[in-house]
Amino acid sequence: QSALTQPPSASGSPGQSVTISCTGTSSDVGAYNYVSWYQQHPGKAPKVMIFEVSKRPSGVPDRFSGSKSGNTASLTVSGLQAEDEADYYCSSYAGSNNFVFGTGTKVTVL
Amino acid sequence: QLQLQESGPGLVKPSETLSLTCTVSGGSISSSSYQWGWIRQPPGQGLERIGTIYYSGNTYYNPSLKSRVTISVDTSKNQFSLKLSSVTAADTAVYYCASLWLAPYYFDYWGQGTLVTVSS
Repeated sequence: QSALTQPPSASGSPGQSVTISCTGTSSDVGAYNYVSWYQQHPGKAPKVMIFEVSKRPSGVPDRFSGSKSGNTASLTVSGLQAEDEADYYCSSYAGSNNFVFGTGTKVTVL
Repeated sequence: QLQLQESGPGLVKPSETLSLTCTVSGGSISSSSYQWGWIRQPPGQGLERIGTIYYSGNTYYNPSLKSRVTISVDTSKNQFSLKLSSVTAADTAVYYCASLWLAPYYFDYWGQGTLVTVSS
């Protein structure tokens, strides 16, 4: 059960957009629409930002959006704000009650 | 709104067993809509799923840790627990407990996390 692959880092200036990819396989990302994205600030627990590929929990700004194509899911943060600087992790259901997390991406707001 | 709180020793000796408990409040651990999970994060590294448990006691472990992990549930106390045996320094991590909302399958509530250091 290998971790999903994410770029180590991504960055953008305030107001710009940044997109993070999450590449899995046909057994996880490609097989199920149960991809979620978590935001983690230093010293804090992760917080879900996107679930079921593109849905936002109540309270998450609509600047956060998700999509999927084949074995790759993506998270886009539009209109970057200083508070968006954090680590982001994707996660996917992998069948038989198994889940796998991504390797994580550090987003820097320049 | 669920609240989860981890508790247990912050220091464990190599080769011994790490034991943590998660207390759930604001809802019942016997809910059919949830599994209850443990996730860990070594310092400066990413998240790793350890495993989850259903209120019935059914468990689902990460294959890479399965031989050393036991997760159990105590519905009378609204708690679930983690035991990780034969620990080494590589098991040093922040351990989180979290609630897994079934279908949509995401961890919606998390504990604050507890750092467990493996050292003699």
